[in-house]
Amino acid sequence: AQKITQTQPGMFVQEKEAVTLDCTYDTSDPSYGLFWYKQPSSGEMIFLIYQGSYDQQNATEGRYSLNFQKARKSANLVISASQLGDSAMYFCAMREPRGGSTLGRLYFGRGTQLTVWP
Amino acid sequence: EAEVAQSPRYKITEKSQAVAFWCDPISGHATLYWYRQILGQGPELLVQFQDESVVDDSQLPKDRFSAERLKGVDSTLKIQPAELGDSAMYLCASSSSRDSFRLFFGSGTQLSVL
Repeated sequence: AQKITQTQPGMFVQEKEAVTLDCTYDTSDPSYGLFWYKQPSSGEMIFLIYQGSYDQQNATEGRYSLNFQKARKSANLVISASQLGDSAMYFCAMREPRGGSTLGRLYFGRGTQLTVWP
Repeated sequence: EAEVAQSPRYKITEKSQAVAFWCDPISGHATLYWYRQILGQGPELLVQFQDESVVDDSQLPKDRFSAERLKGVDSTLKIQPAELGDSAMYLCASSSSRDSFRLFFGSGTQLSVL
């Protein structure tokens, strides 16, 4: 079974508008971490934001916020005031505890290609 | 800001040849990861090191892939012999013990097997 599901292969947004990238996850472990990474055409993976499963509040980092809905196993990324430089591939990822069977492995979704147009 | 260094940036090889990729993690980062990213997919872990020891290589095709981190610093990933299906981006990442949840990635090596 897929650990991370990103159902939007591509998204388009106009500059200065907000956009939400969807992510759902699957785990039976009560302790886990959720991440979003940005991958521009240059190839490197850039860390954007982290949410721990026990965190009470949604994580925010500048223009990025993570809409964490634990009961729905959803961890959507919200980008406010989109910029042309936000055009990239965005990956949702989940990490289970190192002591578990997955040894803390980071699982990635298939990604969403975001295009910001002027 | 410190970076994870990888080389080469691009590699083209013919099938059945041997290839090697190099990674130098951020100084002081004890954990090093090698990921493979096939076009259109997310990265998948190949091998994880804690210092010089392998802690997870369950996804590594050991008949043709090998990885080492002899002094617990830089690392080499080797493929011998390369197959057409090995064409992918190979990403190296590292993390520190103090902030182990956050991985820092290098720019990757894009491998094309002809």
